[in-house]
Amino acid sequence: ETGVTQTPRHLVMGMTNKKSLKCEQHLGHNAMYWYKQSAKKPLELMFVYSLEERVENNSVPSRFSPECPNSSHLFLHLHTLQPEDSALYLCASSQAIDRGAGELFFGEGSRLTVL
Amino acid sequence: GENVEQHPSTLSVQEGDSAVIKCTYSDSASNYFPWYKQELGKRPQLIIDIRSNVGEKKDQRIAVTLNKTAKHFSLHITETQPEDSAVYFCAPAGFQKLVFGTGTRLLVSP
Repeated sequence: ETGVTQTPRHLVMGMTNKKSLKCEQHLGHNAMYWYKQSAKKPLELMFVYSLEERVENNSVPSRFSPECPNSSHLFLHLHTLQPEDSALYLCASSQAIDRGAGELFFGEGSRLTVL
Repeated sequence: GENVEQHPSTLSVQEGDSAVIKCTYSDSASNYFPWYKQELGKRPQLIIDIRSNVGEKKDQRIAVTLNKTAKHFSLHITETQPEDSAVYFCAPAGFQKLVFGTGTRLLVSP
């Protein structure tokens, strides 16, 4: 248990559905991240939040919409996804990005299948 | 942006052998060099890291060496055990952003 919890662990959705992934960290960290991990590509950074403010958006399609209501919670809202969006979505947190890079603590991931 | 390459992509060793994985990066501003281990079906976890003012760091059977001039760093695992079987990722980082390598699948056979 690393203190980062993701729900749901598995999600199957159709291309017209709307769903959300949730991440919660209990480590007192100020930075949270969404990564996409698929079979053919390495861990791809999607979004970075620092103290609830989005500081990076890596050219992610608008069908992925992040939300960070406070420094402990991070959501990824999904709508009109494509089959190629099927992947493992990993949430991570770190102490504070304004002090430079440091250890990332990952959640177990949400395995998404888009039919 | 940072270009990160890992070699080899797959590595098979016998239990007790040593394993070395190399990571090459392009951004000369990178100053933090971690290695993550991801076992099958599990989350990536940091196993060792090094900062740019240090050339080598060791923790029991694992070590990381850094060559900033040549822009590469390596993970060394000695006396490998079956539980070392996993995918290993390097993630050189500049000020804030870690860029993950493509991963190396290590298989340790008993």
